[in-house]
Amino acid sequence: DQQVKQNSPSLSVQEGRISILNCDYTNSMFDYFLWYKKYPAEGPTFLISISSIKDKNEDGRFTVFLNKSAKHLSLHIVPSQPGDSAVYFCAASYTDKLIFGTGTRLQVFP
Amino acid sequence: ETGVTQTPRHLVMGMTNKKSLKCEQHLGHNAMYWYKQSAKKPLELMFVYSLEERVENNSVPSRFSPECPNSSHLFLHLHTLQPEDSALYLCASSQGATGIQNTEAFFGQGTRLTVV
Repeated sequence: DQQVKQNSPSLSVQEGRISILNCDYTNSMFDYFLWYKKYPAEGPTFLISISSIKDKNEDGRFTVFLNKSAKHLSLHIVPSQPGDSAVYFCAASYTDKLIFGTGTRLQVFP
Repeated sequence: ETGVTQTPRHLVMGMTNKKSLKCEQHLGHNAMYWYKQSAKKPLELMFVYSLEERVENNSVPSRFSPECPNSSHLFLHLHTLQPEDSALYLCASSQGATGIQNTEAFFGQGTRLTVV
C-alpha cells in the first residue's frame, strides 16, 4: 500500500510561470513533510520541508502548502526556471521512517 | 556534493557473485539509510541505522545484508541476487533518525546495480 502518492508522473511548464506539484498521503501519523529534487545521475537533494503544525512554508521561489484535513501537500515554484527541470519527490516521515512518493518529472521550457 | 559518498557508482554482477556497496558520510550524522529506487516505484526504505544500531528492516530479503561498523560508514553486502534486484541503491544520512528529530536526509549519488 503506497502511503505517499504523487499522481502526476510528469508536468510541463513554461519558464516564468508557476509550477504546482502535488502529493497525497494516507497515514495520519506523518508529522513532517519534505520535498526533494533529483537530477539525473545524482541522489535526491533536500529542497523544502514543513511540519504538520504548519500549513505553509516559504523559501524564496519555493512554497510548500499542507492541508492536513485533505492529507494533501503541494509545492509551488514561481517563477519557474529551466534549471528547475528535474524529478521532484514528496516524502513524509514519522518516528524513524521517511517514506517517498514515486516522483513527478518537471520540465520547464523557454 | 552533499557529503555522502557512495562507491561504486555502477556495478554489474552475476547472480552467483558476492559484492558490497559502500557509503561514507562526512557530515557528523548519526543515522544512515539504504534506499532502493526501481523504475516507476517510490524510493523504498530498506534499512535504517541509528547510532550504529539497526532500527528498521523493512522485510528486505536476506540476500541483502547491511553493515554499519561506525557512524560514518555503511555497507550493503549482496549475494545471490536476482535480475529483479537491478535498481539504483541510494545511501542517505541524517542528523537524527528522520522523523524523530524532523531533519532532512542527505543522499549520496547512488549505485546503479545491474544483475545479469
